[in-house]
Amino acid sequence: EADIYQTPRYLVIGTGKKITLECSQTMGHDKMYWYQQDPGMELHLIHYSYGVNSTEKGDLSSESTVSRIRTEHFPLTLESARPSHTSQYLCASSEWNSGSSGSNNEQFFGPGTRLTVL
Amino acid sequence: KNQVEQSPQSLIILEGKNCTLQCNYTVSPFSNLRWYKQDTGRGPVSLTIMTFSENTKSNGRYTATLDADTKQSSLHITASQLSDSASYICVVSDRGSTLGRLYFGRGTQLTVWP
Repeated sequence: EADIYQTPRYLVIGTGKKITLECSQTMGHDKMYWYQQDPGMELHLIHYSYGVNSTEKGDLSSESTVSRIRTEHFPLTLESARPSHTSQYLCASSEWNSGSSGSNNEQFFGPGTRLTVL
Repeated sequence: KNQVEQSPQSLIILEGKNCTLQCNYTVSPFSNLRWYKQDTGRGPVSLTIMTFSENTKSNGRYTATLDADTKQSSLHITASQLSDSASYICVVSDRGSTLGRLYFGRGTQLTVWP
């Protein structure tokens, strides 16, 4: 079992609310990621970070924002939730391997947050 | 365009039977290919990783194969158990960036019946 945690596991909220999905890892990994996954579909990268104070947008456009103030913590925030944000959000982390192009380093995933916006 | 295609989309087998899941990819330049198992309501967990030079790798009852020439991989599950019911995701990493960008398939949903 990977040491990466997400809270809450399930969240049902109304439209317009501000929410923060928490992600923490105790493995000391530099790289962290947020993915969005809909049923029967592939994971889409929405944000990633190389380390503290580093945040980048992923492949899938997202209205969410992230921050990386501490190595172990990578929260995702939605300022105003909408029904289109209903999805599963998965956080992951991996070691930094600057010695090679590309990486064999495994990404360890958290259990996910199932978000439903009414 | 880098893509990962998996088949079948879903599969139902009886406990104790074997099955094989397929993955075709177009990711280039290729770095490695992983098979992940994702239980319902959980995050994916890595089963195997294969690099360009590896043809076969086993992890217990799971055996993955890779043909880098045809860009195909398979995951064979032997003597299936009820706990094997999950989504199996093929994930390919490219060599083109320090991020090690991952390309995900949509998964094969396996159901094992008693």
